[in-house]
Amino acid sequence: QLVLTQSPSASASLGASVNLTCTLSSGHSNYAIAWHQQQSEMGPRYLMKLNNDGSHTKGDGIPDRFSGSSSGAGRYLIISSLQSEDEGDYYCQTWGPGPVIFGGGTKLTVL
Amino acid sequence: QVQLVESGGGVVQPGRSLRLSCAASGFTFSSSAMHWVRQAPGKGLEWVAVVSNAGNNKHYADSVKGRFTISRDNSKSTLYLQMNSLRGDDTAVYYCARDQDSVYATVPDYWGQGTLVTVSS
Repeated sequence: QLVLTQSPSASASLGASVNLTCTLSSGHSNYAIAWHQQQSEMGPRYLMKLNNDGSHTKGDGIPDRFSGSSSGAGRYLIISSLQSEDEGDYYCQTWGPGPVIFGGGTKLTVL
Repeated sequence: QVQLVESGGGVVQPGRSLRLSCAASGFTFSSSAMHWVRQAPGKGLEWVAVVSNAGNNKHYADSVKGRFTISRDNSKSTLYLQMNSLRGDDTAVYYCARDQDSVYATVPDYWGQGTLVTVSS
């Protein structure tokens, strides 16, 4: 079964970098995913599509501070030079023949 | 710019029906598959349904299959979600989203601001 696993929370200091992790279930390590950001009381925002080779395509207007990488079943969102507006929930998402799957989300706190 | 504006939410009694709409602009609506995704209060995102650009290919989450129907009117650039036999666990903010693909569900790359549906007696 296709499942995405995310840590419930993460924190990092203003100006620092943070890596958020999304892990694909066994047998699905070649799947591409997407990352979406949701700031408080707002609709989600598409950040990027991340392939299994680490190549990624960002959405319109997404700053260079956001990047992605892949290793095995792990898909990573790297945010550098953290700003206060980066605080929020981050969801990874993938797709199969039919359904769309979301991870449980990671709540990022900027200290 | 791409805009998606949902409407039709509100308070509805269990067992009743509600139809949501999503008005799209800023892109060629008939070229994109479209999704409905919901978020229960304090919870994460849950995918609900997708429809292909021509409206002839639809998929649903198991939790809504047989109760919800996704449809679209390309002449009006509008997406719909007909929700029947509503239950308390359908209470959520409902978002529409555009897919990067035309036929298959892959990556939602633009999202609306959502409309709240509350199922309560």
